[in-house]
Amino acid sequence: AQSVTQLGSHVSVSEGALVLLRCNYSSSVPPYLFWYVQYPNQGLQLLLKYTSAATLVKGINGFEAEFKKSETSFHLTKPSAHMSDAAEYFCAVSERGTYKYIFGTGTRLKVLA
Amino acid sequence: EAGVAQSPRYKIIEKRQSVAFWCNPISGHATLYWYQQILGQGPKLLIQFQNNGVVDDSQLPKDRFSAERLKGVDSTLKIQPAKLEDSAVYLCASSLGLEISYGYTFGSGTRLTVV
Repeated sequence: AQSVTQLGSHVSVSEGALVLLRCNYSSSVPPYLFWYVQYPNQGLQLLLKYTSAATLVKGINGFEAEFKKSETSFHLTKPSAHMSDAAEYFCAVSERGTYKYIFGTGTRLKVLA
Repeated sequence: EAGVAQSPRYKIIEKRQSVAFWCNPISGHATLYWYQQILGQGPKLLIQFQNNGVVDDSQLPKDRFSAERLKGVDSTLKIQPAKLEDSAVYLCASSLGLEISYGYTFGSGTRLTVV
């Protein structure tokens, strides 16, 4: 069965520091992988997605993620955090041939001035 | 393009009452989803429509939850009767089609509090 694990329910970084949000997945076949961001009182917004093209995926707002099959990981990074990045981030997996996501439990990012 | 519209934004009801949520997807999006997001958890799929047909409702508590998508456009999700554990944000999302790589567009959600 598919699953996704996000390590760290809360992450704090200083403004200008590297952002690293971890996501590991479990799937019997190479999956599709996604990162979504949720700002307070808003719906989820797609940051980026991996669908079997390049393993390094660039998304919006300067975020990127690298698919590492050997580590079953899809960690989200941003070189320099901005105050506006404070939000909750969800990793999601979908097995090819299915039509739905399995979401992780989310990581709340706090950016310190 | 207009986003996914949901209403109401907030709803407070007493347990055993009924409640309905409405969703209007992006024009031309054939696939519509309802997710339940309990505080501290990731969203969980309740039901998925392709046009006006149900693709997946395996996690919908059918004894109290119902959903419909008449004419393959707008959708309503109903809870009757509500329980305390139904307190959550109910998110509607739409997509061009069943191909998951399209990605979803989510609405802002309806926050339900059952007291």
